[in-house]
Amino acid sequence: RKEVEQDPGPFNVPEGATVAFNCTYSNSASQSFFWYRQDCRKEPKLLMSVYSSGNEDGRFTAQLNRASQYISLLIRDSKLSDSATYLCVVVSSSGSARQLTFGSGTQLTVLP
Amino acid sequence: EPEVTQTPSHQVTQMGQEVILRCVPISNHLYFYWYRQILGQKVEFLVSFYNNEISEKSEIFDDQFSVERPDGSNFTLKIRSTKLEDSAMYFCASTPTSRNQPQHFGDGTRLSIL
Repeated sequence: RKEVEQDPGPFNVPEGATVAFNCTYSNSASQSFFWYRQDCRKEPKLLMSVYSSGNEDGRFTAQLNRASQYISLLIRDSKLSDSATYLCVVVSSSGSARQLTFGSGTQLTVLP
Repeated sequence: EPEVTQTPSHQVTQMGQEVILRCVPISNHLYFYWYRQILGQKVEFLVSFYNNEISEKSEIFDDQFSVERPDGSNFTLKIRSTKLEDSAMYFCASTPTSRNQPQHFGDGTRLSIL
């Protein structure tokens, strides 16, 4: 089983649609979880952290289910500018510095 | 907003040559990282660095790789004898003192090995 697994997509949705991405992780000791977005040939940019109680930032909602070892990202009222690859990121190291483990990403295209 | 900066943005090198990729982390950050992303593949962890020494490294980070913080601002990744398969985007990242802070990435160096 991959450490962090995502549906690669692509997801093609019309503007205004709601879209959800899921991600599963294999290490039950994982400590922190994030969603990053990556535009083509650009660096990953933090979208939001994912907290145990779930959290919302505008049109974006993240959920964590530790028992089932998955996290999710919901995007409401999607915009053209939301088109990107969404990366599920898990902190998997217990060492002195944090190592991010990335999923392969889910590609989203929002269509006009 | 403070940024992680990387130079050069694109490096083209002959196979077997040495390359040095440079990063200037955010000034008050203490933890530094290198990642790479081969075209079309996922971002992969290479190495983390704290207190002037390597904290962790992945299987990818073999003897041909080294990192250094030669002065108070730069953080470098050296590849001694480049191979074709080293062609990738290399991202530097940093975090401040808290382990719970998310990582901030530079905009990357595209390394092309000919």
